[in-house]
Amino acid sequence: DAGVTQSPTHLIKTRGQQVTLRCSPKSGHDTVSWYQQALGQGPQFIFQYYEEEERQRGNFPDRFSGHQFPNYSSELNVNALLLGDSALYLCASSLARGLDYGYTFGSGTRLTVV
Amino acid sequence: DQQVKQNSPSLSVQEGRISILNCDYTNSMFDYFLWYKKYPAEGPTFLISISSIKDKNEDGRFTVFLNKSAKHLSLHIVPSQPGDSAVYFCAASEGYSSASKIIFGSGTRLSIRP
Repeated sequence: DAGVTQSPTHLIKTRGQQVTLRCSPKSGHDTVSWYQQALGQGPQFIFQYYEEEERQRGNFPDRFSGHQFPNYSSELNVNALLLGDSALYLCASSLARGLDYGYTFGSGTRLTVV
Repeated sequence: DQQVKQNSPSLSVQEGRISILNCDYTNSMFDYFLWYKKYPAEGPTFLISISSIKDKNEDGRFTVFLNKSAKHLSLHIVPSQPGDSAVYFCAASEGYSSASKIIFGSGTRLSIRP
């Protein structure tokens, strides 16, 4: 039973570029949430997708956008990259019927902006 | 504004003894609390949770205590084992559904020494 899969695992981009990160949720899950974890910090909520729509959003600028596909997989896009966007980006999936077992997280994509 | 605070960045405990990790929150609307454990190069994994209608939840060696009046929760691990060495995140949400965004603390690095 595959868990949450994220790609790529590592990425280096130049300031001003755009990046797309991908996430495949755990089998049976239909909701995807994205988090940014800066060094030494806890994960910060970016947004959540359900039924191909953004359902909730955290305190992140419009440079951060996302998409969910009919198969529940999701993408996170970041435009006009800043050095401060360097972080571990975590995808978490869940089933839209309860938090009994919390989210299932992927191992993340380490983004470095130079 | 940090709604979930873990004021101890690190904790070292001898194997076999009790580990106590603390967490404070400021948002009185939080009604569901979770603990996640994270190993290097892996995503956070769900450990244990508690709803605001309870003050204690136990699962094997792990017990979470909630003091709503003090807006404080703690995770007790007894006895501590070497495999417990990891970063522990306290998290909270408003509501029990997966539509509720989970807010994380900054984490406590637990080291179990022999």
